[in-house]
Amino acid sequence: FLLTQPHSVSASPGETVTISCTRSSGSIDTNYVQWYQQRPGSAPTTVIYDDNKRPSGVPDRFSGSIDSSSNSASLTISGLKTEDEAQYYCLSYHSSSQGVFGGGTKVTVL
Amino acid sequence: EVQLVESGGGLIQPGGSLRLSCEGSGLIASSNYMTWVRQAPGKGLEWVAVIWHGGSAYYADSVKGRFTISRDNSKNTVYLEMNSLRVEDTAVYYCARDRYGEKTYWGQGTLVTVSS
Repeated sequence: FLLTQPHSVSASPGETVTISCTRSSGSIDTNYVQWYQQRPGSAPTTVIYDDNKRPSGVPDRFSGSIDSSSNSASLTISGLKTEDEAQYYCLSYHSSSQGVFGGGTKVTVL
Repeated sequence: EVQLVESGGGLIQPGGSLRLSCEGSGLIASSNYMTWVRQAPGKGLEWVAVIWHGGSAYYADSVKGRFTISRDNSKNTVYLEMNSLRVEDTAVYYCARDRYGEKTYWGQGTLVTVSS
């Protein structure tokens, strides 16, 4: 299966952005979805794991959800800050145990 | 905090071999699975391989038959043996550690450049 993300999203500081991650085949809730943030020149870090869990140290402005009707996962960043400007990737696993990344979404803070 | 440190990257000619290591400060043995992920210059993340605690391993189609992932829990290290390297294998290679109910921990990456 493929995971499709929008290439880019943008918003002003304080606004809310939502990044979708749509699974092309099979049910989105078959395996957990992880969300990673990657700033330029840095390694990825986890912002959401297991669909909707937020690691300690990640602001509660970040939230994750699953929508079975659209077969997609979403990452929502509320109260957008300039420090949130980064690439965001979703990841899930195939039943064959192969991992699949979404293509990544660039978040721009205007 | 879990720290993962990758090593072994470098410049290698097409067709050559390289072994990457990922040392995990004592926590690789407690992981459920360890993963290698790569990122070609200017591109997105690509999942490469996973090894489960029991030793089962799975690979991306792009590396199957050429790459081998292994782990030595006594040395807190995971390896990625890469053979028959191609120009398109050029990337930063990251290792990642997962345990059920916990977030993924990432290393800082090691650069592999395949070029003549």
